[in-house]
Amino acid sequence: SQKIEQNSEALNIQEGKTATLTCNYTNYSPAYLQWYRQDPGRGPVFLLLIRENEKEKRKERLKVTFDTTLKQSLFHITASQPADSATYLCALAGGGADGLTFGKGTHLIIQP
Amino acid sequence: SQTIHQWPATLVQPVGSPLSLECTVEGTSNPNLYWYRQAAGRGLQLLFYSVGIGQISSEVPQNLSASRPQDRQFILSSKKLLLSDSGFYLCAVRDRATEAFFGQGTRLTVV
Repeated sequence: SQKIEQNSEALNIQEGKTATLTCNYTNYSPAYLQWYRQDPGRGPVFLLLIRENEKEKRKERLKVTFDTTLKQSLFHITASQPADSATYLCALAGGGADGLTFGKGTHLIIQP
Repeated sequence: SQTIHQWPATLVQPVGSPLSLECTVEGTSNPNLYWYRQAAGRGLQLLFYSVGIGQISSEVPQNLSASRPQDRQFILSSKKLLLSDSGFYLCAVRDRATEAFFGQGTRLTVV
């Protein structure tokens, strides 16, 4: 069956360092992969989308890589700030009308 | 840009009572609409999706149902709530294989 795995353990990073989150998937051939941020009690907010033919995507302090051979995406936040503390979710879809399938998310804590 | 209205924000309901959660969307037409549930300690689970008025697809068998009476209205219902229906319910909209936009969610506690 299709599975998306994210590190369920909380990730503690010191302010100013780079945070790297991992998303691994099995039994998928996704056309693209997405990353979302979710704050407590709120709905997820879209951050970045990377397509299967793209190796890397950047947006301000965020960078996403997508390795379809390893079936893995890495999500980087450079110069991390306490305001970056949240749960980060990766999501996959095969395209079309079906809904996105989400990983359980990684709780990121940026310590001052 | 798209705006999603979802209400109520919190709800406490007794076991066996009915449920109706409503989601309306602005700023788009004929979108794909989705209901997700996020239970404590678990990820987002897709419950239903709809590609048009009256068209509902269910992802998992459950005690819930969904309806889409208008293009930008999506309703989640139950005739009799179970304790296991507790969770954080989220409505989402997508425009054809792009990112999803979520509402603010409804925290449902069944007691």
